[in-house]
Amino acid sequence: GQNIDQPTEMTATEGAIVQINCTYQTSGFNGLFWYQQHAGEAPTFLSYNVLDGLEEKGRFSSFLSRSKGYSYLLLKELQMKDSASYLCAVRDGAFNDMRFGAGTRLTVKP
Amino acid sequence: ETGVTQSPTHLIKTRGQQVTLRCSSQSGHNTVSWYQQALGQGPQFIFQYYREEENGRGNFPPRFSGLQFPNYSSELNVNALELDDSALYLCASVGGSENEQFFGPGTRLTVL
Repeated sequence: GQNIDQPTEMTATEGAIVQINCTYQTSGFNGLFWYQQHAGEAPTFLSYNVLDGLEEKGRFSSFLSRSKGYSYLLLKELQMKDSASYLCAVRDGAFNDMRFGAGTRLTVKP
Repeated sequence: ETGVTQSPTHLIKTRGQQVTLRCSSQSGHNTVSWYQQALGQGPQFIFQYYREEENGRGNFPPRFSGLQFPNYSSELNVNALELDDSALYLCASVGGSENEQFFGPGTRLTVL
């Protein structure tokens, strides 16, 4: 089967660091993506990992371990506007279709 | 702004009816994917079109069908609507350096 698991909800404080984990089991692997989705809006692309290791983009970093089927998204210097759902998605085949997790709803508090 | 547009924004239909949702992809993006997102869930892959041919399909019945046109527009058609079809329908244009998906704003479909 194909499973992509991430925590349902997380809460963090403005200015802090938060790590959102994602584990996956898919029939194939052709890249892992993280998307941010504010309530009522479309998902927006944050990061992409296809090789093991850490990718850093400003306040956001994403890590991948293919052997463990594991990724995390690290958000630093949290801001109130970071309150959103964060979606982990795996591109699992030759096509560009992606399988999404249910998303982690992050609430940033003052 | 991703350059991907969808219409209509909201739509209300009754069970058994048919609906057509529309998407306009970014110019130059030959691949478009359609997703269904139920409340509180991640997007679920419906199907993908490349140069007007379906080249990938998720676990959705045949009453979900699509078309892609040469002008980078596409349609999602759903026949015999069911209550569970109520969801946000997203189209995504595929491109960029990592072949990421650029999502449109979605169409919120309510089936009564």
